[in-house]
Amino acid sequence: AIRMTQSPSSLSASTGDRVTITCRASQGISSYLAWYQQKPGKAPKLLIYAASTLQSGVPSRFSGSGSGTDFTLTISCLQSEDFATYYCQQYYSYPPVTFGGGTKVEIK
Amino acid sequence: QVQLVESGGGVVQPGGSLRLSCAASGFTFSSYGMHWVRQAPGKGLEWVAFIRYDGSNKYYADSVKGRFTISRDNSKNTLYLQMNSLRAEDTAVYYCAKDETALGYWYFDLWGRGTLVTVSS
Repeated sequence: AIRMTQSPSSLSASTGDRVTITCRASQGISSYLAWYQQKPGKAPKLLIYAASTLQSGVPSRFSGSGSGTDFTLTISCLQSEDFATYYCQQYYSYPPVTFGGGTKVEIK
Repeated sequence: QVQLVESGGGVVQPGGSLRLSCAASGFTFSSYGMHWVRQAPGKGLEWVAFIRYDGSNKYYADSVKGRFTISRDNSKNTLYLQMNSLRAEDTAVYYCAKDETALGYWYFDLWGRGTLVTVSS
């Protein structure tokens, strides 16, 4: 199975900050990467698929980039509702699809 | 309203069985592949199983293969997960999740709120 590694595992930031989360695949996955946001006690929510395509209804301050093995999720101007845990997921090779370990974005 | 609602979780002893259900509404359930994804307490996400729109193909994570069975009833807009020979490591919140396509594109554009399964004596 393809291993997905996220960094950092957690970060502290302030409202208005620009935040970047990195996801690395153990082998090339082209652009078959999705990003999810999960708030405590809630189900994950799809933010981005195909590495950079914003899911309908997701604010434009979220963006994704990358291909091959290295990917980035950027939140351009952090809002209070963005404090959550973010997961990347590869769907290039399956089964199984695999997720990164998560990045918790906390309030500084 | 487009939603998925899981049910059937609870506390079960090791070696026991449980059947989870996921009721879909607000979209054409029979046109989409469906998945189960789980999350152990305080841990990350783990894909569990997938079934194609018509039930013709099913896939499982190695960790549950031979113990869990995914199925669906398109007439009832419901997805199921039959879990047998449960182990402590199966303790998790189980989410049903909708695939983007009928045959499976293998990412998840709609999730339920989850149901907690606790395996403990």
